[in-house]
Amino acid sequence: SYELTQPPSLSVSPGQTARISCSGDALPKKYAYWYQQKSGQAPVMVIYEDFKRPSGIPERFSGSSSGTMATLTISGAQVEDEGDYYCYSADSSGNHKVFGGGTKLTVL
Amino acid sequence: QVQLVESGGGVVQPGRSLRLSCAASGFTFSSYGMHWVRQAPGKGLEWVAVIWNDGTNKYYADSVKGRFTISRDKSKNTVYLQMNSLRAEDTAVYYCARDEKGGGSCPDYWGQGTLVTVSS
Repeated sequence: SYELTQPPSLSVSPGQTARISCSGDALPKKYAYWYQQKSGQAPVMVIYEDFKRPSGIPERFSGSSSGTMATLTISGAQVEDEGDYYCYSADSSGNHKVFGGGTKLTVL
Repeated sequence: QVQLVESGGGVVQPGRSLRLSCAASGFTFSSYGMHWVRQAPGKGLEWVAVIWNDGTNKYYADSVKGRFTISRDKSKNTVYLQMNSLRAEDTAVYYCARDEKGGGSCPDYWGQGTLVTVSS
């Protein structure tokens, strides 16, 4: 079955740039989406269709995709950005969806 | 505003069945696909199933295919997940989520989840 691979954890200091990668063989042809999940809460979409930002999401969140790698960038990370981040996409058929394993972001 | 409220979770023995429901409001239910996503305790998100807005297409994760069935009732604005032959590894919080489009896109709005525990 199709898989998306993320680093399990990332730690940055406040104000630094955090970059979270997501690799998958179908990403050259399928969009990547990114979700933030804070402890005990439902996920929230922060990036859709590779680089678009939903309304209400701070401008410091951005996304990009090139080849088999998608990247979520948080420019000037803040303490409130701590949480788990998941990429999401589909296999080559488009019918079976998948989440990456998640990246735990620590900002301290 | 969009609201999704899951119900039907609980403790169930291995091999038994359970049906989850998700009541939707605040949007035109028949225009959107619906997903079920689960999260085992302390683990990551796992996509489970999607049903398209008109109910014609349904797709499942390999881990639940043949055991779980997704369906929807437009008269009740409700989506269901029938779970049969449950296993310990099905223990998770189950989230209902609206698809951004008709079913071929991504979850945009999520419910708060319902906990399913499979244990003897």
